[in-house]
Amino acid sequence: AQTVTQSQPEMSVQEAETVTLSCTYDTSESDYYLFWYKQPPSRQMILVIRQEAYKQQNATENRFSVNFQKAAKSFSLKISDSQLGDAAMYFCAYRSRSGGGADGLTFGKGTHLIIQP
Amino acid sequence: KAGVTQTPRYLIKTRGQQVTLSCSPISGHRSVSWYQQTPGQGLQFLFEYFSETQRNKGNFPGRFSGRQFSNSRSEMNVSTLELGDSALYLCACNRGEGWGYTFGSGTRLTVV
Repeated sequence: AQTVTQSQPEMSVQEAETVTLSCTYDTSESDYYLFWYKQPPSRQMILVIRQEAYKQQNATENRFSVNFQKAAKSFSLKISDSQLGDAAMYFCAYRSRSGGGADGLTFGKGTHLIIQP
Repeated sequence: KAGVTQTPRYLIKTRGQQVTLSCSPISGHRSVSWYQQTPGQGLQFLFEYFSETQRNKGNFPGRFSGRQFSNSRSEMNVSTLELGDSALYLCACNRGEGWGYTFGSGTRLTVV
């Protein structure tokens, strides 16, 4: 079974600065997807960024980018120019590509990101 | 376009009762999955449906069940509720292989 580990329960960053959230995962598969989701107090999980394991290029979405190290099984999220609206719980998630991903998403425990004004 | 709609938003039930939660996915999204979120266990996969068929189920007892209708709407049912079933239940839909999941706002279930 796959596992996802987020070693930082909480992170704090000054507004406009850059912060990196860590995520490692364990899998014996070679083909899979990785995601970062954001969950603000409103409870709705919002997709921040996705990465396909067979693509070496790191995914980027505006101020959000990842550092995907497949051999190290590491998938960190970098948030540049942090904004107050970025404050939320961030979850790293894994989804197998085999079997059509019918096992759903495996989530880490989450990192609570605090933005200091 | 409309998002994923989960009803009800909040629910309070008594131990031993049963409950049914509903999820209406985005139009055209045929895959629907359910997750349980608790402070202790985090987010855990319950089950996934595609074209009215359950494709897989997480490690939950048989009291947890679900189904999907021909219009892709899904329901999950929990029978003989226990205090430990208190959680946020999230529904997610997926457009297809390789796409991220879109989540609803969840149903907050409290068992007293």
